[in-house]
Amino acid sequence: DADVTQTPRNRITKTGKRIMLECSQTKGHDRMYWYRQDPGLGLRLIYYSFDVKDINKGEISDGYSVSRQAQAKFSLSLESAIPNQTALYFCATSDRTSGSSNEQFFGPGTRLTVL
Amino acid sequence: DQQVKQNSPSLSVQEGRISILNCDYTNSMFDYFLWYKKYPAEGPTFLISISSIKDKNEDGRFTVFLNKSAKHLSLHIVPSQPGDSAVYFCAVSGNTPLVFGKGTRLSVIA
Repeated sequence: DADVTQTPRNRITKTGKRIMLECSQTKGHDRMYWYRQDPGLGLRLIYYSFDVKDINKGEISDGYSVSRQAQAKFSLSLESAIPNQTALYFCATSDRTSGSSNEQFFGPGTRLTVL
Repeated sequence: DQQVKQNSPSLSVQEGRISILNCDYTNSMFDYFLWYKKYPAEGPTFLISISSIKDKNEDGRFTVFLNKSAKHLSLHIVPSQPGDSAVYFCAVSGNTPLVFGKGTRLSVIA
């Protein structure tokens, strides 16, 4: 089954540590996204990439960086984790041929806790 | 400033009755509107969408209504079932990536 996978699914780390969250997809989509979900705040866009050479900041990019290693891989890094980055992180993909609908397909999420 | 507002954080409905989830948006340039459903420990999944050229789209028990003049959309679920209990996000699409509301937690009580 074509899918969006995220690793790790759960991670506990300490303040100041560098963390990388990885996303892979077998859907053949060219567009990939990173979101975080916090209680009561919905899904907020961190970074997005419309193809391998394209990286764009989202609503809340401060404290994060990304790398699009290949069409199928998009990783999110926290260079120096802080407790308020504790959240649920989702990767998503979409196909540019979806047009205006821009329907996105989400991975299962990574629960990150920064102590 | 929130571009997409879901003003009800939660909603409880009896099984078999209608669930109505609401969403307001601010920018008339948005041209596509989507609803996503999220269960605990899973990623959001696409539920139903509507183009700005329509005012209603139906898919089985789910219907989305769009009122462009009021910049308002709603999701109707009839009849509601316990398996519909989840968080529902509305999302809007324009020339930028999807913008999501904060979500409404629906509880369908048997």
